[in-house]
Amino acid sequence: AQSVTQPDIHITVSEGASLELRCNYSYGATPYLFWYVQSPGQGLQLLLKYFSGDTLVQGIKGFEAEFKRSQSSFNRRKPSVHWSDAAEYFCAVGDSGGYQKVTFGTGTKLQVIP
Amino acid sequence: EADIYQTPRYLVIGTGKKITLECSQTMGHDKMYWYQQDPGMELHLIHYSYGVNSTEKGDLSSESTVSRIRTEHFPLTLESARPSHTSQYLCASSELSLTPQQYFGPGTRLTVT
Repeated sequence: AQSVTQPDIHITVSEGASLELRCNYSYGATPYLFWYVQSPGQGLQLLLKYFSGDTLVQGIKGFEAEFKRSQSSFNRRKPSVHWSDAAEYFCAVGDSGGYQKVTFGTGTKLQVIP
Repeated sequence: EADIYQTPRYLVIGTGKKITLECSQTMGHDKMYWYQQDPGMELHLIHYSYGVNSTEKGDLSSESTVSRIRTEHFPLTLESARPSHTSQYLCASSELSLTPQQYFGPGTRLTVT
């Protein structure tokens, strides 16, 4: 069974500092990987996705994520955080089977200190 | 731009009432989903559909029911609401293709008193 672990429930960083959001997955083959963002009272918005090819994926607002098969990770990074980045971030793994099941992590809530 | 809508956005209702949460998408997606989300928890899939007249139960047992009479519409119904149903409900859709990328609606925050 596929699973996703986001080890950090809550992260607080100062504006301008670098950021890494961690995501580890468990899946038997090459997975589909996603990062979503959720603002309070809103649904999930897709930020990044990895299906195949280049393991470094560029997203919106300066975020990037790197797929590392050897570590079963899909960590998301940003060199300089902005106050508007404060939100909750969810990592997800999807399979390529007929059901196309997507499993979400428990989320990491990011707080940005001015 | 994903176009998936949920109404109402917020609902406070008394125990025992029947409620229907609406979800519509204008992207022509075949697959649709309902998730239940509680604070600090992962999203739990409660229902999904492959297309018209197709409905399946998800990983999390739920007392709710769904229907899929039209491609664009996937309503969720609770026949008798209880306080344990208090949660956020998220609707999503995706294409019937190899990639499982899902598009989400804004959610319905349900409170049962």
